Amino acid sequence: EIVLTQSPATLSLSPGERATLPCRASQSVGRHIAWYQHKPGQAPRLLIYDASNRATGIPARFSGSGSGTDFTLTITSLEPEDFAVYYCQQRSNWPPLTFGGGTKVEIK
Amino acid sequence: QVQLVESGGGVVQPGDSLRLSCAASGFTFSNYGMHWVRQAPGAGLEWVAFVTYDGRNKYYADSVKGRFTMSRDNSKNTLYLQMNSLRAEDTAVYFCAKDYGGNSGWFDPWGQGTLVTVSS
Repeated sequence: EIVLTQSPATLSLSPGERATLPCRASQSVGRHIAWYQHKPGQAPRLLIYDASNRATGIPARFSGSGSGTDFTLTITSLEPEDFAVYYCQQRSNWPPLTFGGGTKVEIK
Repeated sequence: QVQLVESGGGVVQPGDSLRLSCAASGFTFSNYGMHWVRQAPGAGLEWVAFVTYDGRNKYYADSVKGRFTMSRDNSKNTLYLQMNSLRAEDTAVYFCAKDYGGNSGWFDPWGQGTLVTVSS
C-alpha cells in the first residue's frame, strides 16, 4: 500500500498569503495524485487531479505540481473561503486508493 | 446539477448490521463507477469501496473486506453499502462519491455524508 505523508499538519497563514502544501509518497506514483479541499460539515471537493489539472470550476489560484514521490498544492493568494483541510490522494496501481493525513490551513 | 444524498446512518451495537444508501441524480448514473469513503472522528479520509458502472466488479479496503458489500441498482440510481459485523472502529461519516472519469480513481463530487456510530 502506498503511504502519503502530508507535513506540516497545520499551516497558520493570513489572507492574501501564499500557501504551499507538500505531499510525499512512499514510492513513485507517477503523476497519479489528486488534491481535495474539505471544510467541516461539508462534502470534500476535488481541486486538482493528475498532479496539475484543475477540476471544473476550480479558481486559478489553486495549482498543483510534482511527479514521482513529491507533490505540491499551491494557493497563490489565500481567500477567506480557502481556510480548510487539504488532502492529497493517489490512484497509482489501485486498489487501494489512499489519502494523506491532511494539512489544515488556519487563519493566523 | 449532480447530487448525491446518503442515508441510513445511525447508532448500532458492535456486531450489528446496517445498510447505507446513496441516491444519485443529475447525471447518467449507469455510466459511472462509484465509491464509498469514510472519515472517523478526528481522523482523515479513508477509501472504503468501489463498484464499476455495471456493478460487475467491486473492490474493497482490507479493513472492511469480508464484512462490507457494495452494490448498486442502476434502475433506481441508487448505491448501497451493506455493513455487517460492525466494529467500534467503523464509526465514521460515510460519503458516497462519483468517480470523476467513470473509472479514474478520483472522487467528484461527493455527498454530504451519513454518520454511523458503533457503540455498546
